[in-house]
Amino acid sequence: AQTVTQSQPEMSVQEAETVTLSCTYDTSESNYYLFWYKQPPSRQMILVIRQEAYKQQNATENRFSVNFQKAAKSFSLKISDSQLGDTAMYFCAFMKHDLVYGGATNKLIFGTGTLLAVQP
Amino acid sequence: DSGVTQTPKHLITATGQRVTLRCSPRSGDLSVYWYQQSLDQGLQFLIQYYNGEERAKGNILERFSAQQFPDLHSELNLSSLELGDSALYFCASSEAGYNEQFFGPGTRLTVL
Repeated sequence: AQTVTQSQPEMSVQEAETVTLSCTYDTSESNYYLFWYKQPPSRQMILVIRQEAYKQQNATENRFSVNFQKAAKSFSLKISDSQLGDTAMYFCAFMKHDLVYGGATNKLIFGTGTLLAVQP
Repeated sequence: DSGVTQTPKHLITATGQRVTLRCSPRSGDLSVYWYQQSLDQGLQFLIQYYNGEERAKGNILERFSAQQFPDLHSELNLSSLELGDSALYFCASSEAGYNEQFFGPGTRLTVL
């Protein structure tokens, strides 16, 4: 069974600074997807960034980037130029590749989350 | 706005009762997923439907059931409710072969 571990329950960062959130996972699958979701106080789940395991290049979305280390089963999220609106719970998630339908049409397995507070 | 709708937003009920949560996926999405978010269990996958058929089951209690209708909307039925069922229930949908699940706003269930 796959597991996702986020070892930092809470983190704090000053506005405009950079912060890195850690995530490790355990799987025997070779083809899978990794995600970071953000959950602000509104409770809405918002996809921040995704990474396909077969891609060696790290994904980047504006101020958000990941450091994907497949051999180490590590998937950290870096937020640059932190903004007050980045204050949220961040969840790392894993999804197996779907052998039947292709792509990622499978359940998400979530970590326990990291609560990030951006301080003014 | 993700395009996934869930009703009701909030539900307050008593132990032993039964409730139904409703989800309408994004237009064209055939897959619907239900997740439960609680303080002690975190975010957990409950069940997945694909084009009307059950596809995968997670840690869903026997008191819980779900279905997906021909118009692709889905309902999650929770019966014999207990205090521990209080949680935020999310529905998500996705397109086959595409690697993103879009989440609805959730239904906050409070069991008193």
